[in-house]
Order: sequence, then C-alpha cells, then structure tokens
Amino acid sequence: RKEVEQDPGPFNVPEGATVAFNCTYSNSASQSFFWYRQDCRKEPKLLMSVYSSGNEDGRFTAQLNRASQYISLLIRDSKLSDSATYLCVVFEAGSYQLTFGKGTKLSVIP
Amino acid sequence: GAVVSQHPSRVICKSGTSVKIECRSLDFQATTMFWYRQFPKQSLMLMATSNEGSKATYEQGVEKDKFLINHASLTLSTLTVTSAHPEDSSFYICSARPTGGDGYTFGSGTRLTVV
Repeated sequence: RKEVEQDPGPFNVPEGATVAFNCTYSNSASQSFFWYRQDCRKEPKLLMSVYSSGNEDGRFTAQLNRASQYISLLIRDSKLSDSATYLCVVFEAGSYQLTFGKGTKLSVIP
Repeated sequence: GAVVSQHPSRVICKSGTSVKIECRSLDFQATTMFWYRQFPKQSLMLMATSNEGSKATYEQGVEKDKFLINHASLTLSTLTVTSAHPEDSSFYICSARPTGGDGYTFGSGTRLTVV
C-alpha cells in the first residue's frame, strides 16, 4: 500500500511567523513530488514541485531527501492568505497516479 | 494555462437515483483522466483512472458497477454514481493530464449530497 504521511496539524501561527510542514512517503520508487494547496471546499492547486536539490519560490522553500523518503515545505513571513490545507503529493511514474497525503491545515492569525 | 471544467459544482439527489458528473478539458487533449473522492477532513483518494477509448481502471474497494466511468473522447470523461446512497455524499474531483505532456489540472469539484 502506498502511503503518504503528513504532520496532522492544525498549525495556528501569527502573521510573519515561519512554519514548516513535513511529509514522508513509503514507496521508494516514487518519482516526483509536489506540494498542493487546497482552500476549503475547493479543488487542490499546485503550489510547487519539489526537487532533489531543494527549491525556493518566494517565501516558500521545498526540500526532498530521497534516502529518508522525506519532503518538507517551509513558509517564511506567513500571510493571512496562506491559511489553507497543504497537501503533500507523490507521483508514481509507472501508473501516472498522484497519491495525496491527508493534508496539514494552516491558520495564520492576525 | 490548461483548464478543466467540471459540472455540476453542486448536486443534491434522492437516494436511489443516479447522478452524472462531467469533466472536460477545454484547451488540451487528455488521454487519461483521474477521478478522486474526498470525504470531510480526509485527503483525496483516487477512485479510478479513465482512459480514452478503453475501460477505466478502478482502485481496490471502488465498485465499478456503481461508479460508471465513460471516456468517449479525448476531452471528456464522465462519472455516473448509480443508485446513490447517503454514504456516497462526498466531494468528487477529476484531474486531467495532457496527452504527451506533464502536469495535472484539476476540475473545480462536485459536491454531491444524497438525501
């Protein structure tokens, strides 16, 4: 069974805080990794891909450790608009399937 | 960018009736589309993989006779929930992967309530 596990949350942080989310995956053959953002009752939207060398997009930094099968997302200088559920997603190349974690809910408080 | 249109966005139906959900890629062709279901406070769970011109592949535990999938063209896949029951109430989302391309685009989802 393919598993993607995430921090249970919820995370309640003040504006301006830095917050980190962690994710582990069980299938060592997983090929690609993503963080998606899902607002309440909406479809998930791609936030960023995660590369082995680590990558940054503005206030967001993603890291991948293939040896430990671990993915992280760091959000700096949190904004109110960052409040959402963040989904860790793993792509299986052979089946072209995405496996989603349960998500971590973030609430940024004024 | 790629857009996937999903309809209806919300539907309420009576137990025992059937509901059809459409997923349409508007500006690209999608040989493969995926159907997910999301219960409250749970993650998206893949129900089935829909392949144009062939039978869908269902995940373990998903009844293929209850959740009928038709992918008759490169831009349209439909999911029909037959003989719906209250426990089928959920958020159903499709996603499409461009033929020969990368990335997945999600539809806006359908919230089904069976009463």
